[in-house]
Amino acid sequence: GQQLNQSPQSMFIQEGEDVSMNCTSSSIFNTWLWYKQDPGEGPVLLIALYKAGELTSNGRLTAQFGITRKDSFLNISASIPSDVGIYFCAGFIANAGGTSYGKLTFGQGTILTVHP
Amino acid sequence: DAGVTQSPTHLIKTRGQQVTLRCSPKSGHDTVSWYQQALGQGPQFIFQYYEEEERQRGNFPDRFSGHQFPNYSSELNVNALLLGDSALYLCASSLQGFPYEQYFGPGTRLTVT
Repeated sequence: GQQLNQSPQSMFIQEGEDVSMNCTSSSIFNTWLWYKQDPGEGPVLLIALYKAGELTSNGRLTAQFGITRKDSFLNISASIPSDVGIYFCAGFIANAGGTSYGKLTFGQGTILTVHP
Repeated sequence: DAGVTQSPTHLIKTRGQQVTLRCSPKSGHDTVSWYQQALGQGPQFIFQYYEEEERQRGNFPDRFSGHQFPNYSSELNVNALLLGDSALYLCASSLQGFPYEQYFGPGTRLTVT
C-alpha cells in the first residue's frame, strides 16, 4: 500500500531558527496536506496543496507540492516555542473512477522541539 | 462555529469486550472519517461515512464497524477487543465536495487491558 516517509523524525532547534521538513512517497498524490498535533489533541490542518509545483503560505509556514507529485515540503520561519509539536504530512488520491472519496494517508510525523 | 467533538475522552476496556465511540462533525460538514492512531505513529484510515453509508474502508477487520445518523453524527464500534486495539481514535469531518480537507476532533483514548 501507499506509504509516506517523513524526515527528519525529530528536530531540536533554538527559538528564532528556520525549520525544514519533507515527505516523500512512492505513489503520486492529487493533494498534499500538512497537519500539526499537540499532545492529547487531534491534528490541526495547517496547509493544503492542490497542484504540482504549488507554493502556499500560512503565516510563518510555507509548504510546497513537489513537481513529481510524490513529495512535499514544509518550512517554518523564525520558530517560536508554540511551534513545538508533531507535524504530519498527508496525501490524498482521487479514486480511479474520478470520484473523490476521503482516505488520507499519513506520514509517521516529525517531532519538533524548540528551545527558548 | 462548533468544531468536531468526540466522546468519551478516555475509555478503559477489557480484552473481548465491545466499545462504541461517538463523533459529531463540524457544523455544516456531511462526511465523517475515522482513524486509529497508535502511539508514535501517524493516523491510519479505518473508514468513511457519507449519506449514512460506508463508502471507503481501510485495512481493518470486520470487528470495526460504524454508523452515520441523519444528523451526520457517527459512531465507531469495535467488537472482541484485543490488546492491540489500544490507541487514540480520531474522527474527522469534511464536506462531500472537498473530502481531502478533513478537520479532526480531539480523539478518544482507548486502553484495552
